[in-house]
Amino acid sequence: DAKTTQPNSMESNEEEPVHLPCNHSTISGTDYIHWYRQLPSQGPEYVIHGLTSNVNNRMASLAIAEDRKSSTLILHRATLRDAAVYYCILRDVKSSGDKLTFGTGTRLAVRP
Amino acid sequence: NAGVTQTPKFQVLKTGQSMTLQCAQDMNHEYMSWYRQDPGMGLRLIHYSVGAGITDQGEVPNGYNVSRSTTEDFPLRLLSAAPSQTSVYFCASSHPGANTEAFFGQGTRLTVV
Repeated sequence: DAKTTQPNSMESNEEEPVHLPCNHSTISGTDYIHWYRQLPSQGPEYVIHGLTSNVNNRMASLAIAEDRKSSTLILHRATLRDAAVYYCILRDVKSSGDKLTFGTGTRLAVRP
Repeated sequence: NAGVTQTPKFQVLKTGQSMTLQCAQDMNHEYMSWYRQDPGMGLRLIHYSVGAGITDQGEVPNGYNVSRSTTEDFPLRLLSAAPSQTSVYFCASSHPGANTEAFFGQGTRLTVV
């Protein structure tokens, strides 16, 4: 599976936008880009995913580079509840099964 | 909907004991999987299933058995617990396809002494 690279940690102020980067230079044409987050002492939860075009949902936006070798998760107004570890994961449409490859993710701290 | 339910939430085992971690989902998902998470690390895949009667190994399968007799349930069995299996275990489920989201349970924190 193609790998992703994320910064270990980032900090943000409450109510400010946060841009979480992810590099995936070996992405294949059939890989979807997924983001999950894990709040303290909880299981991961889905945030957003996309293939080629930018995506928006109620939680966040996903900006995908034109060459698809990088992407950015955007939290428009960080809240204290957004403090979590964020994982960028590639899912191959040709691969069967729920086989998510988690790296160490980016730990986001939100300052009040 | 309850989503993905894992039991128990906490468990302490002695080395050599056996136990089964339970996972149930009520979303009629075909895909289910088990992960373990060690301190400071991401999740690693233990076993997964693409439907009832079909299972396969993930990245770290040694010491664990699974079976999938129904769509709803995917239990994980530790036959002879070892301290190296001390971890937090997560079960996940999803519909087939790379453009679907996976749902995770709240985890089982297992300590083997």
